[in-house]
Amino acid sequence: GAVVSQHPSWVICKSGTSVKIECRSLDFQATTMFWYRQFPKQSLMLMATSNEGSKATYEQGVEKDKFLINHASLTLSTLTVTSAHPEDSSFYICSAERDRHRGTQYFGPGTRLLVL
Amino acid sequence: SQQGEEDPQALSIQEGENATMNCSYKTSINNLQWYRQNSGRGLVHLILIRSNEREKHSGRLRVTLDTSKKSSSLLITASRAADTASYFCATDHTGNQFYFGTGTSLTVIP
Repeated sequence: GAVVSQHPSWVICKSGTSVKIECRSLDFQATTMFWYRQFPKQSLMLMATSNEGSKATYEQGVEKDKFLINHASLTLSTLTVTSAHPEDSSFYICSAERDRHRGTQYFGPGTRLLVL
Repeated sequence: SQQGEEDPQALSIQEGENATMNCSYKTSINNLQWYRQNSGRGLVHLILIRSNEREKHSGRLRVTLDTSKKSSSLLITASRAADTASYFCATDHTGNQFYFGTGTSLTVIP
């Protein structure tokens, strides 16, 4: 089956640093990828929709200058958490849309970010 | 892989009929969640059912969980055209990560 990978799986960083998370579709091309975050024991929250070759669409309340998204190719989208603070500590998960007409989504395993 | 599997992959029904989707998983869970996704949009959380629960209701949605069979089902009663979407189950095995299935694509014909 289709595989979506995320790198890194875990990241611990100091407050003020920037962290880049990669989301790759390994065996298919994804024109659309989604980025979510999840706080402990809560459901996923959609952050933004990433479209290849164009600017990401952010959900209300998500700072686009804080969470930079780049979807430079059909198999890679990156999320950069800039100037991270402890409140940014969360679980970040991406999904890649394989076939727009069928609405088939494949999810990455997630990246856990801890900001000290 | 711990990824859940939904069944069927695609389902087409008439408006007013009930729709049933199933999800199976391989290892023990803390909880299981169902999400829906309209085409081109992100996930919308529907229901969370914990491992010690067997059934939960929310409006026209009914979710069952059978931990002995490692399976869950989502029932949508009296379906509407607006229910057309993809439905995903997500299993929480460790409290740290969720594993998602590939989804069931539901089409409700008016």
